[in-house]
Amino acid sequence: SAVISQKPSRDICQRGTSLTIQCQVDSQVTMMFWYRQQPGQSLTLIATANQGSEATYESGFVIDKFPISRPNLTFSTLTVSNMSPEDSSIYLCSVESTSGRAVLDEQFFGPGTRLTVL
Amino acid sequence: ILNVEQSPQSLHVQEGDSTNFTCSFPSSNFYALHWYRWETAKSPEALFVMTLNGDEKKKGRISATLNTKEGYSYLYIKGSQPEDSATYLCAPNAGGTSYGKLTFGQGTILTVHP
Repeated sequence: SAVISQKPSRDICQRGTSLTIQCQVDSQVTMMFWYRQQPGQSLTLIATANQGSEATYESGFVIDKFPISRPNLTFSTLTVSNMSPEDSSIYLCSVESTSGRAVLDEQFFGPGTRLTVL
Repeated sequence: ILNVEQSPQSLHVQEGDSTNFTCSFPSSNFYALHWYRWETAKSPEALFVMTLNGDEKKKGRISATLNTKEGYSYLYIKGSQPEDSATYLCAPNAGGTSYGKLTFGQGTILTVHP
């Protein structure tokens, strides 16, 4: 298993500002994922962050709005830029298990960052 | 983008009741199905990862079945306890170039009353 921490755990921000969320893992992992859950919605994948390459964004998400860094195999950041109230969500990072069982690998999630944009 | 549906959206049961809920997903391009439990203020916790048609997995009082041909999975909880109260999420994985990318349903919110 992997132990994942996120900072901050929650924040209240003003419209137009940016917030950077940090994700730290206690072991080296290849793939890290960033998800968000808007109120009443499902958990949605924003992007996949691989070390040494640019993040891969899902449809509807762009780098200018959600820039991601992945400087090493244990750390990643997600920035929510130029925030609006619609960005109020829970943001979670996750990593794949390193069991080597390919498709059977579960994902481990951080505790989440609860963001409220006023 | 996979269309994943979970039902019911929410469920209230009494302690000791058994319950079940459904996850429906596209049967084409299926690779694996994940079930997670997400308690308030905690991280989502993996329950099962299932890949084979007819697969049945069990963890304590919780079990799950999988039908990949018709595209559904059932999660069962026997003798529900208040600590089972959580949101239960399913997420199919299409594999291939989508490997690792989970598409979550909206979840079933279970509340178990003492």
